[in-house]
Amino acid sequence: AQSVTQLGSHVSVSEGALVLLRCNYSSSVPPYLFWYVQYPNQGLQLLLKYTTGATLVKGINGFEAEFKKSETSFHLTKPSAHMSDAAEYFCAVSAGGTSYGKLTFGQGTILTVHP
Amino acid sequence: DTAVSQTPKYLVTQMGNDKSIKCEQNLGHDTMYWYKQDSKKFLKIMFSYNNKELIINETVPNRFSPKSPDKAHLNLHINSLELGDSAVYFCASSHYERNTEAFFGQGTRLTVV
Repeated sequence: AQSVTQLGSHVSVSEGALVLLRCNYSSSVPPYLFWYVQYPNQGLQLLLKYTTGATLVKGINGFEAEFKKSETSFHLTKPSAHMSDAAEYFCAVSAGGTSYGKLTFGQGTILTVHP
Repeated sequence: DTAVSQTPKYLVTQMGNDKSIKCEQNLGHDTMYWYKQDSKKFLKIMFSYNNKELIINETVPNRFSPKSPDKAHLNLHINSLELGDSAVYFCASSHYERNTEAFFGQGTRLTVV
């Protein structure tokens, strides 16, 4: 069984400040980890993913995340927030293989960016 | 050139009605999914089809019946709609052998009144 916990349902930052969205997972098998972003009334867009290999993964729009197995974490960061980053962010885990696209999502974190 | 497209985008209907949501992907993927996003924005998988075969069927009422006529299409039919069915339904697709991530459609907002 797999689960994802996103710490903080709302995160507010100033434009130009560091963005840190926290995600912890639980998985009985080596996890595949994803961050998706959802803008209002839109579908989900993949920001980045970790499958195997390098534990620091870079994604679109300047976001990156680090897989830390010992901490069962996959936190999302961006050095400098932009107004256009305001959206809801979802962390997700899958088991890979035939279940690769079967995602278990966290509760989501709404990111607000203040001018 | 939309990758995963769903129709309709909005659907308002009365309790007890039967409705369908259609999904098509042009990515050449072999696996398609239906996810439900509830009013609290929680996303949960409902079904998954690989090469037209049902491979994931989460605990979903029998009133929900997916149908995959071919690898590029996955439709969702809902019978006897209830108020609690109101949600946003997302279609997604991926490719098993190529291990591609899931690509999502824009969602269908279903409102049952």
